[in-house]
Amino acid sequence: AQKVTQAQTEISVVEKEDVTLDCVYETRDTTYYLFWYKQPPSGELVFLIRRNSFDEQNEISGRYSWNFQKSTSSFNFTITASQVVDSAVYFCALSVQQAAGNKLTFGGGTRVLVKP
Amino acid sequence: DGGITQSPKYLFRKEGQNVTLSCEQNLNHDAMYWYRQDPGQGLRLIYYSQIVNDFQKGDIAEGYSVSREKKESFPLTVTSAQKNPTAFYLCASSLSWTGWGAGANVLTFGAGSRLTVL
Repeated sequence: AQKVTQAQTEISVVEKEDVTLDCVYETRDTTYYLFWYKQPPSGELVFLIRRNSFDEQNEISGRYSWNFQKSTSSFNFTITASQVVDSAVYFCALSVQQAAGNKLTFGGGTRVLVKP
Repeated sequence: DGGITQSPKYLFRKEGQNVTLSCEQNLNHDAMYWYRQDPGQGLRLIYYSQIVNDFQKGDIAEGYSVSREKKESFPLTVTSAQKNPTAFYLCASSLSWTGWGAGANVLTFGAGSRLTVL
């Protein structure tokens, strides 16, 4: 069985501060994908990134960066110089390569509140 | 623009009533999904459909039913058998059910439907 843990339920920062969201996953599969989705107040989940289990390179996209470490089963997400528009709930998710296909296991989410 | 449309956005139901949530996509995606979101619990899979006229139970299917008569549509019925139906329901789709190519397992979500049982 797969499991995704986001230990931080809520993080509050002041605008321009950096914020790091933790994600720890559990799976016995060797082939899997990890995802981050953003859920703004409007409710719709927005895809941010997908990383496969064979690619441990960190990635930077604008103010967003991701740190994937298989040794610690973690896929952490950092927002640099946060802005009020970054206020949302962020979900980490895991999908394994099995016959059942693209079933995602989600973490509980981390609510980020960026204050002006 | 392509996307997923869910309706209604808000729905109130009396106990004992069945309600149907609509989900329509114009992305030409083969696979569609229904998730339930409760505060602090992330998203849980209710049902999923790989292709038209086929669907499978997810992790919490009891008290729910679905149909997939058209590729574009995947309605969810919350029946009176669902003991605690008050929640936020999200519909999603992906390019394909199997396959790990670019975008194959990236889900596109609708804006959700919030159901409240009175």
